[in-house]
Amino acid sequence: DQQVKQNSPSLSVQEGRISILNCDYTNSMFDYFLWYKKYPAEGPTFLISISSIKDKNEDGRFTVFLNKSAKHLSLHIVPSQPGDSAVYFCAAKSGTYKYIFGTGTRLKVLA
Amino acid sequence: GAVVSQHPSWVICKSGTSVKIECRSLDFQATTMFWYRQFPKQSLMLMATSNEGSKATYEQGVEKDKFLINHASLTLSTLTVTSAHPEDSSFYICSARVLGAGNTIYFGEGSWLTVV
Repeated sequence: DQQVKQNSPSLSVQEGRISILNCDYTNSMFDYFLWYKKYPAEGPTFLISISSIKDKNEDGRFTVFLNKSAKHLSLHIVPSQPGDSAVYFCAAKSGTYKYIFGTGTRLKVLA
Repeated sequence: GAVVSQHPSWVICKSGTSVKIECRSLDFQATTMFWYRQFPKQSLMLMATSNEGSKATYEQGVEKDKFLINHASLTLSTLTVTSAHPEDSSFYICSARVLGAGNTIYFGEGSWLTVV
């Protein structure tokens, strides 16, 4: 039972354009959502997060949008840079500090 | 962000032996640490949650006698893979939540375990 889903395994975007990574979840009890970036053979690096009481959070080139009614969140990266090429994981937290991760989306930013 | 360090980064061990992986929070106290396992091209699978001074909570399907977790202090948690088998070969990652400081968890660099 995959509670957090990233339906696009990969995404290619031209440098300078916007990258949109999507994440869907099923558990309405999730109260906090996070995005991580991961390179091969390394641990994930925290990017940005959002509380369930908000619908948008912005940090530099990264913006996360949350649509609770649709149980959907997305990460926007603009402008995309070649260094953004990595695997992106969304994660959701339940009240008991249990974090569930999606399957990841591999982003490739083309120069 | 908070720094979490894992050691060793790479380890090879023989079948039947045990191997210990350390996870340290370097610049903060971590009341809760998490251990994940990642298979190639798959997501991070939560193995267990450990709180300082108490027994770890294991996820369904994770053998607690095989994957021993100790969280003896607010800055150190260890995962010991006992009687390792080749199928235990994987990428193990720990993460930690900063004590009293929100909901973000920070990850270590990960540890590659190869059992031969």
